[in-house]
Amino acid sequence: GAVVSQHPSWVICKSGTSVKIECRSLDFQATTMFWYRQFPKQSLMLMATSNEGSKATYEQGVEKDKFLINHASLTLSTLTVTSAHPEDSSFYICSANSGAFQYFGPGTRLTVT
Amino acid sequence: AQSVTQPDIHITVSEGASLELRCNYSYGATPYLFWYVQSPGQGLQLLLKYFSGDTLVQGIKGFEAEFKRSQSSFNLRKPSVHWSDAAEYFCAVGAKNDYKLSFGAGTTVTVRA
Repeated sequence: GAVVSQHPSWVICKSGTSVKIECRSLDFQATTMFWYRQFPKQSLMLMATSNEGSKATYEQGVEKDKFLINHASLTLSTLTVTSAHPEDSSFYICSANSGAFQYFGPGTRLTVT
Repeated sequence: AQSVTQPDIHITVSEGASLELRCNYSYGATPYLFWYVQSPGQGLQLLLKYFSGDTLVQGIKGFEAEFKRSQSSFNLRKPSVHWSDAAEYFCAVGAKNDYKLSFGAGTTVTVRA
């Protein structure tokens, strides 16, 4: 149980375009989901906390207007990278809370050319 | 603020040998502590967690960890390493009130034949 999926797993986009990443909890409901960013050979950095039915809470230094988060239902949160630039290229990982546990998705590799 | 230090960036161990990964945390109260494993290009898999009670916790894949409050440590151990244990290992500390996780920098484990 407690499976989290992400879609797409890999995406390439051109600079200036927007990309949407979906995070779904498949067999449980999650009122809270988290979005992380991971650079190669580095740790996970929390970007924002996504709460169902309310605005996301962003960590210091994360641009709210660039990384749009929507948590429209108890099983789906989306991260939209707007006007993407090459420096936004990274591995984006989401997690969903079930009780005190976070279950992680497989990640989405974003490459901006 | 909570933080995690993993002093070892990279550890190489022979197959069949024992493994110990160090983790030190900083947190004002009793923390939630986790160990996750990440294979290349993949999301995170929970190995084990500590919330309270017995300070020696057992996890999946033959891993165990011991919480030592006096040393602010939560070291991960495995008595006999398999080649499939080669991966990146992350220690994380969480807050009881909001379940946000802070990750250490990670330790890369290489297993040699």
